[in-house]
Amino acid sequence: EVQLVESGGGLVQPGGSLRLSCAASGFTVSSNYMSWVRQAPGKGLEWVSVIYSGGSTYYADSVKGRFTISRDNSKNTLYLQMNSLRAEDTAVYYCARQDCSGGSCYEGYWGQGTLVTVSS
Amino acid sequence: SYELTQPPSVSVSPGQTARITCSGDALPKKYAYWYQQKSGQAPVLVIYEDSKRPSGIPERFSGSSSGTMATLTISGAQVEDEADYYCYSTDSSGNRRVFGGGTKLTVL
Repeated sequence: EVQLVESGGGLVQPGGSLRLSCAASGFTVSSNYMSWVRQAPGKGLEWVSVIYSGGSTYYADSVKGRFTISRDNSKNTLYLQMNSLRAEDTAVYYCARQDCSGGSCYEGYWGQGTLVTVSS
Repeated sequence: SYELTQPPSVSVSPGQTARITCSGDALPKKYAYWYQQKSGQAPVLVIYEDSKRPSGIPERFSGSSSGTMATLTISGAQVEDEADYYCYSTDSSGNRRVFGGGTKLTVL
């Protein structure tokens, strides 16, 4: 059974840093495309970042240069390092496994999310 | 940056057909996907690759795409279909994903 469990959320001051983790089970993180999606309170879904099985990474313009997606193959875990945090980064952060078919991919499995609050 | 545009809200009576649109410049060449999200829950995929329905999704959910617009249709909407619906696709490079702004469907 595919499971994704996020952790690492919490309260952080503006300008601070936080690292989110997503522990996966039931599949191998390094063999899949993995992504982060966030949702600010009362707002819509926003795609944040993706890492391909080959290691290529891509980011939304809103986080590029501040966030870094990575993985630890030995721990089968996905990470999101968030630096220079702003109030507008406050959101529930979901990790997701991408499923691919027909030459395109989408978030097929989602974690339960972890809340990040950026406030002084 | 690339954007997908959806109407903020759609309202229908039970048993009526609800249609939610999504427009984007890359949609003629990129698939559209649709997610349903109920309050406090993670999103659930209801349509993939423009018009395919995952197993377990009721047949009343269907999708189509033409030109720069994709459409999610719920035929005979039920009260339990009340939720936020998001379209999803990629930019022309295929590397950056994007969600539409979401549409709140009210069935009453």
